[in-house]
Amino acid sequence: SAVISQKPSRDICQRGTSLTIQCQVDSQVTMMFWYRQQPGQSLTLIATANQGSEATYESGFVIDKFPISRPNLTFSTLTVSNMSPEDSSIYLCSVGGQGAYYNEQFFGPGTRLTVL
Amino acid sequence: SQQGEEDPQALSIQEGENATMNCSYKTSINNLQWYRQNSGRGLVHLILIRSNEREKHSGRLRVTLDTSKKSSSLLITASRAADTASYFCATGSYNQGGKLIFGQGTELSVKP
Repeated sequence: SAVISQKPSRDICQRGTSLTIQCQVDSQVTMMFWYRQQPGQSLTLIATANQGSEATYESGFVIDKFPISRPNLTFSTLTVSNMSPEDSSIYLCSVGGQGAYYNEQFFGPGTRLTVL
Repeated sequence: SQQGEEDPQALSIQEGENATMNCSYKTSINNLQWYRQNSGRGLVHLILIRSNEREKHSGRLRVTLDTSKKSSSLLITASRAADTASYFCATGSYNQGGKLIFGQGTELSVKP
């Protein structure tokens, strides 16, 4: 399985500001995903980020609010823009498995965001 | 929207007992995965079962899949206090491009 790290692990931000979350993988992967987990809830997919193409956003999520970069096969960023308290959540990146582990997904430790 | 429904939403047992969690889903799948999450941290991948499999074991974990009923169960035998966590099922299908759809989760509490 891939080893995934995220930065920052947590942050407290003011309303109206933006935060960029980084996701680093220890091996090259084609598929990366960004999820949001609101307090006490399950995970909801924000977008799929494949290297060399624009991110694909799920219903209810837009690029202006959650711009994503995927500059290479080991790294991605998610920005939460113009934050409001409703954006307080855990944000997790994940990577799709390769080869024999196709469709298994492995998750980073998450970024816990609190917006005041 | 969430595909999976899990029950129970919360489960409290004594150490040494078995814990069973159930997951139901709505559409055709190629695989179903179970994850554990401790106290709002990252998700730990437990087990993947493919649509052509009926049962899978990993240590103290046993997962079953019934595609005719669109349901799966996760059994943890001889539970330990360290098993206290939230457990999620997630479904995947090839035509979803690898993305997963998560159930609501079961919060398991194992009391020593």
